[in-house]
Amino acid sequence: DAKTTQPNSMESNEEEPVHLPCNHSTISGTDYIHWYRQLPSQGPEYVIHGLTSNVNNRMASLAIAEDRKSSTLILHRATLRDAAVYYCILSAAGNKLTFGGGTRVLVKP
Amino acid sequence: GAGVSQSPRYKVAKRGQDVALRCDPISGHVSLFWYQQALGQGPEFLTYFQNEAQLDKSGLPSDRFFAERPEGSVSTLKIQRTQQEDSAVYLCASSPLVKTYNEQFFGPGTRLTVL
Repeated sequence: DAKTTQPNSMESNEEEPVHLPCNHSTISGTDYIHWYRQLPSQGPEYVIHGLTSNVNNRMASLAIAEDRKSSTLILHRATLRDAAVYYCILSAAGNKLTFGGGTRVLVKP
Repeated sequence: GAGVSQSPRYKVAKRGQDVALRCDPISGHVSLFWYQQALGQGPEFLTYFQNEAQLDKSGLPSDRFFAERPEGSVSTLKIQRTQQEDSAVYLCASSPLVKTYNEQFFGPGTRLTVL
């Protein structure tokens, strides 16, 4: 699976947007871009995914660069509950997920 | 509805003991994955089932690790002769379909501590 690069950590203030970058320069044509997050002492949970076009759901937005070599997860208004490790993952549909180190997000009240 | 459940939630084993970890996926989910998460690291893939067939076991770290899903629903991950390096959280995930995009639904994990 292609590798992703994410910052180790980011801080945000509550109620402000958070932009989480991910670089994936070796992405292949069949790779989906997935984002999962893991709250403390819980299993990972799905956030959003995309292939080529930008995506929005109730949790977040995913902005995908035109060349697909990078993407950004956007949390529109961070809450304390959004403090977690966010993982950017590439894989084809139905395949195993290859997690990296992720970005630890700290939300300050 | 009910999510993925795992039992036990915590397991302490003495080095050399055998352990069995259970995963109950969401009913009707075809795909089932096991992952291992060491402290401070991201989860790492262990093995994958499609119904009862184990299609990928490339991530199992040694022949002491064995997984099964005999009826295509509940799965058990067994570790024989546990070692201290086996201490980790073992996560199970299930997914409804194959060959189309589906998110993976994760259980809470089993934390294994080998003394």
